[in-house]
Amino acid sequence: QVQLVESGGGVVQTGRSLRLSCAATGFTFSSYGMHWVRQAPGKGLEWVAVIWYDGTNKYFADSVKGRFTISRDNPKNTVYLQMNSLRAEDTAVYYCAREGGFYDSSGYYPSNPLDYWGQGTLVTVSS
Amino acid sequence: DIQMTQSPSTLSASVGDRVTITCRASQSFSSWLAWYQQKPGKAPRLLIYKTSSLERGVPSRFSGSGSGTEFTLTIGSLQPDDFATYYCQQYDSYPWTFGQGTKVEIK
Repeated sequence: QVQLVESGGGVVQTGRSLRLSCAATGFTFSSYGMHWVRQAPGKGLEWVAVIWYDGTNKYFADSVKGRFTISRDNPKNTVYLQMNSLRAEDTAVYYCAREGGFYDSSGYYPSNPLDYWGQGTLVTVSS
Repeated sequence: DIQMTQSPSTLSASVGDRVTITCRASQSFSSWLAWYQQKPGKAPRLLIYKTSSLERGVPSRFSGSGSGTEFTLTIGSLQPDDFATYYCQQYDSYPWTFGQGTKVEIK
């Protein structure tokens, strides 16, 4: 069965860096786009970043552009989120999620939602 | 960026009620709209994709509809397990965006 397990969260000072990891099992990791989504305490969901299945394309939310990078190691079935210049407003639970591969009789859809999510890892940025 | 606005923010309902949540987009897009359910302390769960397609394993009392800038999630007969927060999300263009959420509470 599909499993996504995040790690690397913790308490970090403002301006410092942190790297999150997400280990995937139960599916062909190299065939799927992977995303990070975060949720500040008591708040809604915020999409953060995506990396395509082969790592060729990456996109970011405006709120993290230039500070966060996303990468993947397909042989290790792992996706990473490198977070630099952290701010108090980056405090959140960070989820990694798989972009689904849905299709119909015409073929695979060009865009797909997030069908599997990890349990999340909490990042607290404090001065 | 496409902004997604859900209404209402909170909804009080009873078991057996028919519930409708609306999601409006700041600009029109194709059918790449999803709905998720989230319970406290848990990761979101995909319910609906491509506006109206039911994810595997999701009860048929959940349905989605809409087009352009207005989309809806309907729960045909609310069950005790359905009390949760629901989010719409557009995955038509980057950056992907979520609605602010609708909390369905017990009346």
